[in-house]
Amino acid sequence: EIVLTQSPGTLSLSPGERATLSCRASQSVSSNYLTWYLQKPGQPPRLLIYGASSRATGIPDRFSGSGSGTDFTLSINRLEPEDFAVYYCQQYGSSPPTFGPGTKVDIK
Amino acid sequence: EVQLVESGGGSVQPGGSLRLSCAASGFTFSSHAMSWVRQAPGKGLEWVSVISGSGGTTYYADSVKGRFTISRDNSKNTLLLQMNSLRAEDTAVYYCAKPYSAWYVWDYWGQGTLVTVSS
Repeated sequence: EIVLTQSPGTLSLSPGERATLSCRASQSVSSNYLTWYLQKPGQPPRLLIYGASSRATGIPDRFSGSGSGTDFTLSINRLEPEDFAVYYCQQYGSSPPTFGPGTKVDIK
Repeated sequence: EVQLVESGGGSVQPGGSLRLSCAASGFTFSSHAMSWVRQAPGKGLEWVSVISGSGGTTYYADSVKGRFTISRDNSKNTLLLQMNSLRAEDTAVYYCAKPYSAWYVWDYWGQGTLVTVSS
């Protein structure tokens, strides 16, 4: 199965700053089938990005995804207070679908 | 409005069984494959199982294969997960999830139901 590694483990930033989160796969992700989710404590995950770069319905354009093959990035422009959460990448190009361990974005 | 409501979680001893349910509403349930995804306390996410819209195709994570059975009742818009031979490592919040596009991209999730396996 494909193993996903996310970095950094924790990112401490202030509202208004830009966040850059990395997700690296142990092998190439077929068709760049990679998603990003945001999760807040006590809540289920929320879909942000699919297909590496397509925003899900209702997701603001300050969220953007990029990358291909084994290296993917989630960028968040101008962090809003509600963006401080844990972010997971997930690949669905190979079975089984697998998740990364998460990156926590917290308030500096 | 799409709603997914899980139930059936609780505490069970190792080796025991539980049956989880997920009541779905607000969309054409039978048209969508549905998944269970779990999250151990303080840990990350793990896909558990998926079932096709008709119920004819199922897949499982290796960690639960042979112990868990996913099924659905499209007449009742209900997703089920029968969990047998439970282990301590099965302790988690179990979410049912509806796909956005591909089977393994999920845009709606329930609030989850907690399963605790402990002696």
